[in-house]
Amino acid sequence: NAGVTQTPKFRVLKTGQSMTLLCAQDMNHEYMYWYRQDPGMGLRLIHYSVGEGTTAKGEVPDGYNVSRLKKQNFLLGLESAAPSQTSVYFCASSYSRDRGDYEQYFGPGTRLTVT
Amino acid sequence: DQQVKQNSPSLSVQEGRISILNCDYTNSMFDYFLWYKKYPAEGPTFLISISSIKDKNEDGRFTVFLNKSAKHLSLHIVPSQPGDSAVYFCAASRESTIQGAQKLVFGQGTRLTINP
Repeated sequence: NAGVTQTPKFRVLKTGQSMTLLCAQDMNHEYMYWYRQDPGMGLRLIHYSVGEGTTAKGEVPDGYNVSRLKKQNFLLGLESAAPSQTSVYFCASSYSRDRGDYEQYFGPGTRLTVT
Repeated sequence: DQQVKQNSPSLSVQEGRISILNCDYTNSMFDYFLWYKKYPAEGPTFLISISSIKDKNEDGRFTVFLNKSAKHLSLHIVPSQPGDSAVYFCAASRESTIQGAQKLVFGQGTRLTINP
């Protein structure tokens, strides 16, 4: 099992450019999450998904869009990148809390720099 | 509004001694707490967790203590080993408005260095 994978690992964008980050998981998890991590701060939730076609806003959703067309994939889009979106982005997946399983499994991260 | 705080950005401990990492939270709705470990250029990996109905959970060298009245939890590592050098994040969980989904709120992290 590969677990949670993220593509790309690194990316440099100019202000105003757009890009999509791809997350894939092979654990058949219902739930998927996108976080960002900035220096001196913990991970902050951007958006999350509870199943195909269903997404919800997290703590810091502005400037991002997401889509979950397949259960195993969760895409994070930046339509018009800004320097404030320079960050490390982590994807995670999990089962439902109702199963008594609270662990989220994280990908290796994507380091994005916006100049 | 920082709901989960780790007030020590860094901690240095001698190999073989006990490492104690602390975490405070403010939201009484949190019902589960997790510790994650993170190495550079990798994603966080789960270490140990505790339900809000318990006050202690132990797994090998790792023990997490929860003081619900003080809204405080701590992670004890004993004995500390060089491979334990990493950033440790405390995270608190509560259910989202969508049943079954959870929101994790993370602390800022503590960088633990184990000296030989």
